[in-house]
Amino acid sequence: DAGVIQSPRHEVTEMGQEVTLRCKPISGHDYLFWYRQTMMRGLELLIYFNNNVPIDDSGMPEDRFSAKMPNASFSTLKIQPSEPRDSAVYFCASSLAHGGNYGYTFGSGTRLTVV
Amino acid sequence: DAKTTQPTSMDCAEGRAANLPCNHSTISGNEYVYWYRQIHSQGPQYIIHGLKNNETNEMASLIITEDRKSSTLILPHATLRDTAVYYCIVRRSGANSKLTFGKGITLSVRP
Repeated sequence: DAGVIQSPRHEVTEMGQEVTLRCKPISGHDYLFWYRQTMMRGLELLIYFNNNVPIDDSGMPEDRFSAKMPNASFSTLKIQPSEPRDSAVYFCASSLAHGGNYGYTFGSGTRLTVV
Repeated sequence: DAKTTQPTSMDCAEGRAANLPCNHSTISGNEYVYWYRQIHSQGPQYIIHGLKNNETNEMASLIITEDRKSSTLILPHATLRDTAVYYCIVRRSGANSKLTFGKGITLSVRP
């Protein structure tokens, strides 16, 4: 199993541009999570999906952020327009199921820099 | 989910056991104790989890006190590659429970 695959690994963009981050979860995992990590705020859960349906997006910071999961093997996190304060590492994770007895598998992350 | 308290940092010598403490005095009966670690520039990595009993896998052992108010993650023979931030997380068993990360403890393994 290749694990959770994220692309790109690094993204540098100018303020105001649209940014799309991509994630391929582990096959068979029903849950997909998007996290953001910054020095100031640590790891924050942005949104998670169950069977391609968004369940909780309370962590999404603003309307500029949107996430989709068109099928079981692909999800995107879009920022439009991007701002310098969006600079962070964005992680995608997937889980076989949810609840206390299941762990998450994380991808390697996308380091986003907005200049 | 109950809060956890961890020291900010600790170090240990390579080859020795690393014992990482975690306090979770308000833990409820249906909450699990999870440990993850994050090596620099990588995503968090699952290590181990438990409810009441001590657990062991190929990576580590988890010792949970009888009253469940604290636990210790043990890396039996620490290597330089174990240098990382280790997160102790308490999480409910319900379907909508989230994995919420705190600041963790930075473990430095010295040669």
